[in-house]
Amino acid sequence: KNEVEQSPQNLTAQEGEFITINCSYSVGISALHWLQQHPGGGIVSLFMLSSGKKKHGRLIATINIQEKHSSLHITASHPRDSAVYICSSISGGSEKLVFGKGTKLTVNP
Amino acid sequence: DVKVTQSSRYLVKRTGEKVFLECVQDMDHENMFWYRQDPGLGLRLIYFSYDVKMKEKGDIPEGYSVSREKKERFSLILESASTNQTSMYLCASSFGTGRFRETQYFGPGTRLLVL
Repeated sequence: KNEVEQSPQNLTAQEGEFITINCSYSVGISALHWLQQHPGGGIVSLFMLSSGKKKHGRLIATINIQEKHSSLHITASHPRDSAVYICSSISGGSEKLVFGKGTKLTVNP
Repeated sequence: DVKVTQSSRYLVKRTGEKVFLECVQDMDHENMFWYRQDPGLGLRLIYFSYDVKMKEKGDIPEGYSVSREKKERFSLILESASTNQTSMYLCASSFGTGRFRETQYFGPGTRLLVL
């Protein structure tokens, strides 16, 4: 059974800091998503990765398939980045979708 | 822009009532999904549909059914609502045949309280 663990659970940063959120999974996967959920509840898909690295603006997502680990980085963090960040993995064989419990990020001005 | 709308933002129902949650997407997406989100448990997949009249169970289908009569609309039905179905319900849609490997677009969510 695939387990997805995120760390840290909660993260507080000052505006401008470099942020890293981690996601580890226990079985081989075919792809991994990073999602952002703002306080109002709406969820936005940030990245889908199956290998390597993707960048969009100040956000960078990386994945290491061998180590079963993905990271989401935010450069020059801003209070509007405050949200819950969720990773979800898709198991390679069974195509099963498993979500992490999320990392709550607060960026203070 | 893709738009996924859900029929209600907040809903209060009584135990035993039949509850319909509606989701509509305007981008001709093949795939539609229903999730529930609970504190400490995260997002969990209830059902998904990859075509009209097609459905597959997710991780927690018990107590729920779904209907997809038209491509743009995916309904979640609580046959007899119970208090343990109090939750945030989120609908999503995606384009393509990659099942979970396509970008999903989420609706704003419905907070359901069952008394």
